[in-house]
Amino acid sequence: GAGVSQSPSNKVTEKGKDVELRCDPISGHTALYWYRQSLGQGLEFLIYFQGNSAPDKSGLPSDRFSAERTGGSVSTLTIQRTQQEDSAVYLCASSWFSGGENEQFFGPGTRLTVL
Amino acid sequence: RKEVEQDPGPFNVPEGATVAFNCTYSNSASQSFFWYRQDCRKEPKLLMSVYSSGNEDGRFTAQLNRASQYISLLIRDSKLSDSATYLCVVTFNTNAGKSTFGDGTTLTVKP
Repeated sequence: GAGVSQSPSNKVTEKGKDVELRCDPISGHTALYWYRQSLGQGLEFLIYFQGNSAPDKSGLPSDRFSAERTGGSVSTLTIQRTQQEDSAVYLCASSWFSGGENEQFFGPGTRLTVL
Repeated sequence: RKEVEQDPGPFNVPEGATVAFNCTYSNSASQSFFWYRQDCRKEPKLLMSVYSSGNEDGRFTAQLNRASQYISLLIRDSKLSDSATYLCVVTFNTNAGKSTFGDGTTLTVKP
């Protein structure tokens, strides 16, 4: 079946512009995660959604970052007034449940470059 | 101190070698543990879960030591295709879902 998809695959933007990154999770997965990964670094947790519950936003680095998940499926990560330090690969993952013992399936990521 | 720490390597080993990676975690209440594999410029994929009793999958063995708060991954008879970055993942609350990833250990297997 189809895996997690993300769009765009690459995004180049100018400092100060807003960007939207999209994630389509695997159908039926109730949990959805956003991470970012800078070059040569590990994954940094940003936000997680589980069903209709309030999202865990504890990893968002600033109020320029926000995310929503409409209808319990597609999610959009928005970065306002982008800065050069926002340049990274943004990865989305989904899993069957929010339980930490469940495998997370990752999308291919969106490579964001802020000039 | 990071919540999850790994030796970044790189580990450079010849084919057929046995190599082991360790990962330490700071929260003694951590509940779930995993190893993910990430190939260059690709997304991470689950390699194996780590259980208290230890578990084996072919050439790969994972172990958990709760007393010392570390998990390990042993790869026997290394193959060229094992070259990748191995990420240690810890979940502190199984019901909360949030996972913490280590920065990864890079393995290069050479002919």
